[in-house]
Parts: sequence; structure tokens; C-alpha cells
Amino acid sequence: NAGVTQTPKFRILKIGQSMTLQCTQDMNHNYMYWYRQDPGMGLKLIYYSVGAGITDKGEVPNGYNVSRSTTEDFPLRLELAAPSQTSVYFCASSYGKRSSGANVLTFGAGSRLTVL
Amino acid sequence: GDSVTQMEGPVTLSEEAFLTINCTYTATGYPSLFWYVQYPGEGLQLLLKATKADDKGSNKGFEATYRKETTSFHLEKGSVQVSDSAVYFCALTSSGSARQLTFGSGTQLTVLP
Repeated sequence: NAGVTQTPKFRILKIGQSMTLQCTQDMNHNYMYWYRQDPGMGLKLIYYSVGAGITDKGEVPNGYNVSRSTTEDFPLRLELAAPSQTSVYFCASSYGKRSSGANVLTFGAGSRLTVL
Repeated sequence: GDSVTQMEGPVTLSEEAFLTINCTYTATGYPSLFWYVQYPGEGLQLLLKATKADDKGSNKGFEATYRKETTSFHLEKGSVQVSDSAVYFCALTSSGSARQLTFGSGTQLTVLP
């Protein structure tokens, strides 16, 4: 079982460039999330999705876009990269069902992005 | 809104020392509480969880008790190992529809042989 797979692992962008961080999961989870991790700041939620075709903003959505055309995939798009977007990005997924009790997230290994 | 406050690091201990990492929270309703661990170069992994007051979560020798009266979920381990060196995150999820996690800032633990 691959779990949550993120690509690329590392990327350097110039200011103003665009790119997409890919995320796919093979656990048939309906909920998916994108977080960014900055040093000493913990993780901040960028966007999340509760199912295919449904997305919503998290705490820090500015400068990002997402789509969820399938259950498995949840790409994160940066349209005009800025130095403030230098961070480590984590994709995560979960079942998210109320009947399953506490929601447990499975995380990918992360994508380190540097904007110069 | 919801928030999690964690003991600031870094924390450096000798092998077999006792570990406590403090965590307190602010949330409406009855959140579920978690400790996640991040080993170098990896994503976060669930370490333990508790879903209601007075529950004790435990795993790999780590324990944490959900204390509603003090809004705390402190992480403890009686005897740490070098392999426990990692970043530890306290987190909560409230009863919102998307169940997203709110994280603390993380505590870096280094265990020396």
C-alpha cells in the first residue's frame, strides 16, 4: 500500500513562476488536505476537500488553488510563486466519517519548495 | 477559534531520561486530541490519540491523558531512546464537518546516547 504519495520532493522556483504539487492516495479516503509547514510555526491548513468535486479554503489559502476531480488526486497549484511560499508542503487524507470516531490523518512525505 | 499551545523546544535529553512535553488547548465543544510525530525527512505519523475526557492514549511507551478540567494533553515517556529523536506535534480536531486538524508549533526532541 503506497498510502499518500506526493511529487515532487524538492523544487526551486523563480518569483512569478507557476507549478503544481501532485498528491494521490490509494486508500479510498474521501477527505484530503494540504498543509504548509514553516519553521517553528507548526502546520497551517491551505485547502481541504471532503470529496470529489468539493473543495474549501483553510486558514492560509491566498496564492493557491486546488481541484478534486477524482477521489484519489488532490493537486495544489501555485499560480505566481512568491518568496513567502517557500515552505514544506504536506498532503494528507482521511476517511472523515463521523461514525469512525476521531479523525486520523495519513500524511505524505512532503514537498520542499523554495522560491527565489 | 481553536488553538493548541505546545511547550517550546528544542528539548535535549540523555537516553533513559523521563520525557514530558506540555500541551494545552482552546476549543469549543469536545475536541479529539492527538500527538503526531515527525521523524527526520518524513511526513507526520499518528503517535496516539484520545477522544474524550479522562481517556489515556498510549503507543510505543508514550502516554497522554485528556484532561478537560485543565484543557491539557501532556505527552510523557518514562525512558526515552535515541530513536525517539523527532519533532512532536500536539493537535486537535473539533466537531466541524471537515475534521481538519489544528496543530501546535511542534517540539524538537533530541536524545543523546
